[in-house]
Formats: sequence, structure tokens, C-alpha cells
Amino acid sequence: AQKVTQAQTEISVVEKEDVTLDCVYETRDTTYYLFWYKQPPSGELVFLIRRNSFDEQNEISGRYSWNFQKSTSSFNFTITASQVVDSAVYFCALSEGPGNTGKLIFGQGTTLQVKP
Amino acid sequence: GAVVSQHPSRVICKSGTSVKIECRSLDFQATTMFWYRQFPKKSLMLMATSNEGSKATYEQGVEKDKFLINHASLTLSTLTVTSAHPEDSSFYICSAIFRGVGAYNEQFFGPGTRLTVL
Repeated sequence: AQKVTQAQTEISVVEKEDVTLDCVYETRDTTYYLFWYKQPPSGELVFLIRRNSFDEQNEISGRYSWNFQKSTSSFNFTITASQVVDSAVYFCALSEGPGNTGKLIFGQGTTLQVKP
Repeated sequence: GAVVSQHPSRVICKSGTSVKIECRSLDFQATTMFWYRQFPKKSLMLMATSNEGSKATYEQGVEKDKFLINHASLTLSTLTVTSAHPEDSSFYICSAIFRGVGAYNEQFFGPGTRLTVL
């Protein structure tokens, strides 16, 4: 069965600290997609990244970076030099292929609080 | 990216009334839309898959007679919460699939509708 686990329920850091949000997934498919979304207090989901199962290259986008490791079924997200505006709930999600129905399975979410 | 809207953004209703939530893809046609539900401080749970021109596919445990879904056009899906009760109070989010060229079909989320049933 497909499952996404975000073991960290809440994380609190002080501004400028680096923080890593963990994500572990389970799937029997060989083709799948992994995502990270940000949900600020307004509630609207903000897409951050999509990764397919055949691309294990790590990615960096500004202060954000992602570490995808199939060997450990993990897709961790690191924010470098965190800012107060990074405070939000972050969701990791999984979508299975190859048909890519689009159905997303979300993790429980990690609430990140960045204090000034 | 493509835009998906939801209306209303917030609704408060009395117990026993029915509430309709609209999800529109504004600049693309979406043959498939999804409806998710999110309780406070909880994750998003897929409720159903809305397919244009056919019946919705509901996830296990979701009452199809309670949550009526209609996908009458390629740009509009509606979710009607019938005879709403306080336990139906939640944040409802829709998403729409954009089937472009290539292996991956992009999914775009609406801003959500917060339903409060008194």
C-alpha cells in the first residue's frame, strides 16, 4: 500500500538556522512521483517541487534543497538560513504511475515555526 | 501555472442545510478534478475523483450520498454537502488535472473552501 510518513509533527527554529523536514514513503510501483507542498496560514497549497522515481539527482532552488534517496525511500527537504516567512505547514506527497492518475497521497504534514 | 478557483472561499451554514462548492479551471480544460478534505491541523485526504461526463469515483469511507459531485463541463466540478452537520465542518480543496504533452499531467490546486456548520 502507498503511504507517506512525515514523522516530525512540529519543528521550531530560530531565524537563519537550517532545518530539514523528513519524508519517508512506501510504494510498490517502480514509477511514481514525489512532491513537496507548502501550506501557509491562508490555506492555499503552494507547489514546491516534483520528482519522478527515475531521477535521483538532488535539487537546489535558492534556499531550498531536496535529497531523494530511493535506497531509503526518503525525500527530505532542507531550508537553509530559514526566515520567518518560511513558517507554514509542509506536506510531502506521493503519486503513483505510470498511468499517473494524479491521485495524491499526502503525509501528515510538518508544521514549521521560524522565530525571529 | 494554470489557475483553479473555488467558490465560495468561506461558508457558514446551519445544520441540516446543503452547501454547494464550485471548483473551476480558469484557463484550461480539466477532464479530471479531485476533491480533498482537510481537518484542522491534519493532512489532506482524498475524497473523490471527479470525471467530466461520468460519475465520480469515491474513496473508501466517503459517503457518496452525503457528498454529491457533479462534473458537468470541462471547467467546472461541484461538491454538494447534503444535510450538513457540524462534523462536516472542514477545509475542502479541489484540484484539476492539466493533461499536456509528455508523461506527467500537472495538477493545480484551488485555494480551498472553509465550511463551518453550526
